[in-house]
Amino acid sequence: QKEVEQNSGPLSVPEGAIASLNCTYSDRGSQSFFWYRQYSGKSPELIMFIYSNGDKEDGRFTAQLNKASQYVSLLIRDSQPSDSATYLCAVKKGNQFYFGTGTSLTVIP
Amino acid sequence: DADVTQTPRNRITKTGKRIMLECSQTKGHDRMYWYRQDPGLGLRLIYYSFDVKDINKGEISDGYSVSRQAQAKFSLSLESAIPNQTALYFCATSDFWQGADTQYFGPGTRLTVL
Repeated sequence: QKEVEQNSGPLSVPEGAIASLNCTYSDRGSQSFFWYRQYSGKSPELIMFIYSNGDKEDGRFTAQLNKASQYVSLLIRDSQPSDSATYLCAVKKGNQFYFGTGTSLTVIP
Repeated sequence: DADVTQTPRNRITKTGKRIMLECSQTKGHDRMYWYRQDPGLGLRLIYYSFDVKDINKGEISDGYSVSRQAQAKFSLSLESAIPNQTALYFCATSDFWQGADTQYFGPGTRLTVL
């Protein structure tokens, strides 16, 4: 069983809509949870992290964590064409980080 | 200047050759990591180091070795490259920020083994 699972997409949303990205993890011992954005051919860049149950907001981005369901999500409000990228979910367990395979998002102008 | 740099950025080599990928950082972080990224498989951890005397294997260390020459430098070696080591390789550092151990990635090295 993979440590982190994401729907690979592609996910398409119109400009200005809310994009919802989801991630599940297998180990309840996972400690903290991260969302990265990766443009094609570029390195992952951190969007935000969360380690407590509930919601965490940063600008147009909201991360949601539900430890009982082992579920993490990222909402992007007022999606822009520049948000078109692959979004990676990562968890930290012990000293290691585990990444999902990413969800491809396209925002249509 | 970039905080995490990798050299070379692109490399084409032949099966059986020894190759070294280098990573340098100016962030002052103790923790450094090497990952490879393959389509459909995501990022997978090869090795990580918490200081110059601490080296640890990740998920997929077979066929790779590392050297932590200084706090700022962490090198990845392929002793005898094989085609299935063709991938995009990323170096990363991490540090605790606002309660979470947060990673920062270099620009990547695209390695092709023929």
